[in-house]
Amino acid sequence: KAGVTQTPRYLIKTRGQQVTLSCSPISGHRSVSWYQQTPGQGLQFLFEYFSETQRNKGNFPGRFSGRQFSNSRSEMNVSTLELGDSALYLCASSLVVGGSEQFFGPGTRLTVL
Amino acid sequence: EDKVVQSPLSLVVHEGDTVTLNCSYEVTNFRSLLWYKQEKKAPTFLFMLTSSGIEKKSGRLSSILDKKELFSILNITATQTGDSAVYLCAVVISGYALNFGKGTSLLVTP
Repeated sequence: KAGVTQTPRYLIKTRGQQVTLSCSPISGHRSVSWYQQTPGQGLQFLFEYFSETQRNKGNFPGRFSGRQFSNSRSEMNVSTLELGDSALYLCASSLVVGGSEQFFGPGTRLTVL
Repeated sequence: EDKVVQSPLSLVVHEGDTVTLNCSYEVTNFRSLLWYKQEKKAPTFLFMLTSSGIEKKSGRLSSILDKKELFSILNITATQTGDSAVYLCAVVISGYALNFGKGTSLLVTP
């Protein structure tokens, strides 16, 4: 069974630009969660999608948004990038919503210059 | 404000030692606690704990939750160099958000 895949793996953007990251969950998994990981703040929860609906949201500004498609694939968008958005963005999938065992993808390393 | 605190922040031990990692939490509407291991890649799931006093065990790793005192411990016996990693604790609260601690960085030397 293929694991969680994320594209792209690395991305360099400049301040003010926007970016879209993609996550394909494990086949059969319907929940996708997104996290931001930085050395200073550690792993922080962004949001979780289940059945194309956002079920839960962390404490991030509205510049961070996401969506989920009918095949459970999910995208995360960050608009008006700031230097502080440089981070590793991880997505994780699980069978059901609700903090059960999650399987993480390799992450997308975003650098904002 | 929900808090998850892990201690120690870092630890260096010799192969064969036993280590205990701590995770304490102050959250509203606790649902469960998860432990993850992160090497130079994405975190991998270790344990999910929902009930007090029931030990979860996998090989040399074990974990237990105390919902009265609001903490969990992760034990690793007979440590090996391959156990070197960052160990993350996350608490699931109502609404299913995961609050992660900052992690404990473990280095096992030969």
